[in-house]
Amino acid sequence: AQTVTQSQPEMSVQEAETVTLSCTYDTSESDYYLFWYKQPPSRQMILVIRQEAYKQQNATENRFSVNFQKAAKSFSLKISDSQLGDAAMYFCAPSYSGAGSYQLTFGKGTKLSVIP
Amino acid sequence: DTGVSQDPRHKITKRGQNVTFRCDPISEHNRLYWYRQTLGQGPEFLTYFQNEAQLEKSRLLSDRFSAERPKGSFSTLEIQRTEQGDSAMYLCASSTRQGPLYNEQFFGPGTRLTVL
Repeated sequence: AQTVTQSQPEMSVQEAETVTLSCTYDTSESDYYLFWYKQPPSRQMILVIRQEAYKQQNATENRFSVNFQKAAKSFSLKISDSQLGDAAMYFCAPSYSGAGSYQLTFGKGTKLSVIP
Repeated sequence: DTGVSQDPRHKITKRGQNVTFRCDPISEHNRLYWYRQTLGQGPEFLTYFQNEAQLEKSRLLSDRFSAERPKGSFSTLEIQRTEQGDSAMYLCASSTRQGPLYNEQFFGPGTRLTVL
């Protein structure tokens, strides 16, 4: 079974500071994508950032960046200059080619609190 | 609004009743996914459609669950003889394999099911 581990159930960060959320995954596949999704309380899932496994360069999206270590199967998310609106559940979700569906396999999530 | 929509947003039913949910994907997306999310957990994959064909089903999808996507447009998820364990948020997502957003899944707001 393909597993996703987010070892930090809860994290907190001061506004304007930087925080890193960790994620490790287990797969034998070579073709896959990696995503971080954000789910604010009672609101819908929003994509934060994506990474193609074949790309060595780490993805960056404004204040969000990833540290992708393919050999270690590690995919951490760094949030710089944290804002109050960043408070949410964050899910790491690899997407494997498998049967061709590229379904997402979610971790249990990390609840991020932002302290004013 | 051209995002993914789901109806209803909330459903309360009694154990043993049948319920049906609807998902309208982004119009040009040929891939559609259903996930289930229980409290405090990440979403779990249920089933996948490419156009009108249901190509993959999770072991979570018992024979009380059925999904359709007639004409490759909207999709319905029906649960027969509901049980209290079916209480969850049911999420729909869609994606395309073309363009810069390929394989990126866009989520709807979900249908929250409560079985009494």
